[in-house]
Order: sequence, then C-alpha cells, then structure tokens
Amino acid sequence: GENVEQHPSTLSVQEGDSAVIKCTYSDSASNYFPWYKQELGKRPQLIIDIRSNVGEKKDQRIAVTLNKTAKHFSLHITETQPEDSAVYFCAADYTGGFKTIFGAGTRLFVKA
Amino acid sequence: DTAVSQTPKYLVTQMGNDKSIKCEQNLGHDTMYWYKQDSKKFLKIMFSYNNKELIINETVPNRFSPKSPDKAHLNLHINSLELGDSAVYFCASSQGAVEKLFFGSGTQLSVL
Repeated sequence: GENVEQHPSTLSVQEGDSAVIKCTYSDSASNYFPWYKQELGKRPQLIIDIRSNVGEKKDQRIAVTLNKTAKHFSLHITETQPEDSAVYFCAADYTGGFKTIFGAGTRLFVKA
Repeated sequence: DTAVSQTPKYLVTQMGNDKSIKCEQNLGHDTMYWYKQDSKKFLKIMFSYNNKELIINETVPNRFSPKSPDKAHLNLHINSLELGDSAVYFCASSQGAVEKLFFGSGTQLSVL
C-alpha cells in the first residue's frame, strides 16, 4: 500500500551536533521526496526536496540523500541550532502526483 | 499578501452541527488540497483538486464535501460533526502534480 515510514519519532541532540532522520517509501513509482518543517502551532513548510534522478542535494546545513533501489531517503542537519527544534516530516508522491503521503514525523529537540 | 489563506483559524462547535472552512490561494496554482492533522500530528490527505476537478478522495466520509468554485478556491463543508472530526485542517496548493505544497495556516476544529 501507500506508506511512508519515518524514524526516529523523537530525536534529542546537543547544539552543534548533527541530526539524521530516515524514511522509507513503498511505491517504486514515487519520484518526488520533500521534507517539511513544522514549528509549534504553525503550518508545515518545505525545507528541501529531492527528485528521483538525483542522489543527493544540499542547502547550507541541510542535506538529503536518496537511495531509489532501497527506497530510502534521509535528512541530515549539521551544526544544529535551537531554532532547528520542530517536527520534521518526510513525504513521497503517489498516484502520479496529486497525492503526497507524509511520514509520521520526527520531533527534534536541540538543547543549547 | 498571504499565499494560501484559510478561515476561520479556530472553530469550536457542538456535535451534530454543520460547518465550513474556506481556502483561497493567490499563487496561480492549479492544484489544491485538504489535509487533516490529528492530535498525534499525523498529516493525512483528504482531497486533491486540479483545475476545479476532484482528483483524489481519500476514503473520506461523505459528511465532508469539498467544493472548488474556481482554481483559486477550495472550501470544505462538514455535515453532522462528530467528536472524531476534531483536528487541524490544512488547505494547501501546488503548481502541479509533483511539486512542493504551500500550506495555509490551518483551522483548529474542536467538536464538543
């Protein structure tokens, strides 16, 4: 079925450390893998995305990797800061788009 | 100049009532969505519309009826509200089928 598994559900790191969140998806036809950050009481907002023709993408302290064979993708945040504390969602497209399925979310705490 | 706006922000109502949530986007996008976020933060797609046409109805009870009068608007009407309908409802839009989502600020629905 259409499913995106995400782990860990909670992640606590010290400021300056790295954080890694991992996801797997079920549909080999999926081509688009966005990551969203949701701060408390706010809307989810895209922080980075990757398409299936790319293995890795980086934007400053944030990077995403994709392994299509294994149907895995991961978010890496380096030099974490307290303002990185939020819930992070991975997602994948299904049904030729028009349907983005989200993982269950990872609550990241960055301790100062 | 808000990209995706939805009203109201909060909705408190009694079981059995009927209520509506309105959504408008000024991004010129063709595709709009309704997502439901429950108390555990799961983000679940409800409906997708493309050019005012319903594309995805994710086995949502027929008490929920979306309406898209034009490409910029997607409203959600809910009949006979139940306790389990309590959640945050997010409207979103995208430029196409496999593109990033722009979320509205959410409507916190509480059914008493």
